[in-house]
Amino acid sequence: LAKTTQPISMDSYEGQEVNITCSHNNIATNDYITWYQQFPSQGPRFIIQGYKTKVTNEVASLFIPADRKSSTLSLPRVSLSDTAVYYCLVAGMDSSYKLIFGSGTRLLVRP
Amino acid sequence: EAGVAQSPRYKIIEKRQSVAFWCNPISGHATLYWYQQILGQGPKLLIQFQNNGVVDDSQLPKDRFSAERLKGVDSTLKIQPAKLEDSAVYLCASSPPMPGLGRVHEQFFGPGTRLTVL
Repeated sequence: LAKTTQPISMDSYEGQEVNITCSHNNIATNDYITWYQQFPSQGPRFIIQGYKTKVTNEVASLFIPADRKSSTLSLPRVSLSDTAVYYCLVAGMDSSYKLIFGSGTRLLVRP
Repeated sequence: EAGVAQSPRYKIIEKRQSVAFWCNPISGHATLYWYQQILGQGPKLLIQFQNNGVVDDSQLPKDRFSAERLKGVDSTLKIQPAKLEDSAVYLCASSPPMPGLGRVHEQFFGPGTRLTVL
């Protein structure tokens, strides 16, 4: 299973765009990249998933370069409520693949 | 749609005591997971069920932890006897039999049970 590396913490201000980059140098050909968000005292919540290039949904965008050795989660115009821990995960295409969570990136959004 | 339900939300016990957690997944979700999340760390998978069969329990400390999913619906996780290092949040998650488009690894998590072992 590919190991991921992401910053321990990040600070931002309301209204700014936040980009969190995750490194996964050993990603396999059949691996997806998935991001989860976790608020205090809650379970993680799926944000976005991609395989290559760019994926966008109502919450975020995910940018994946051609070599797929890294990915960037982009949160447009963050608000205080985006303060959370963000986890980058890599797992095979089968939905039964075990998800391995690292320590994530703690994002603090300031007023 | 109701989410994943867990109870209790909080539990405080002394070491060597026993404790049990309950989880009711989202209706129709065949796969159920139990995770342990220690403060400051990401969740760690303890056990994964597919219906009422175990798919993966490689990280479950079987000398003290046990889990069951009778009838393929709700599940219980038990610790007997508890140790100080078992203090953590125990998260239950479930996933549908057919994931949505672009959501292969989407799991739906409950609020968790915070266990404190004194």
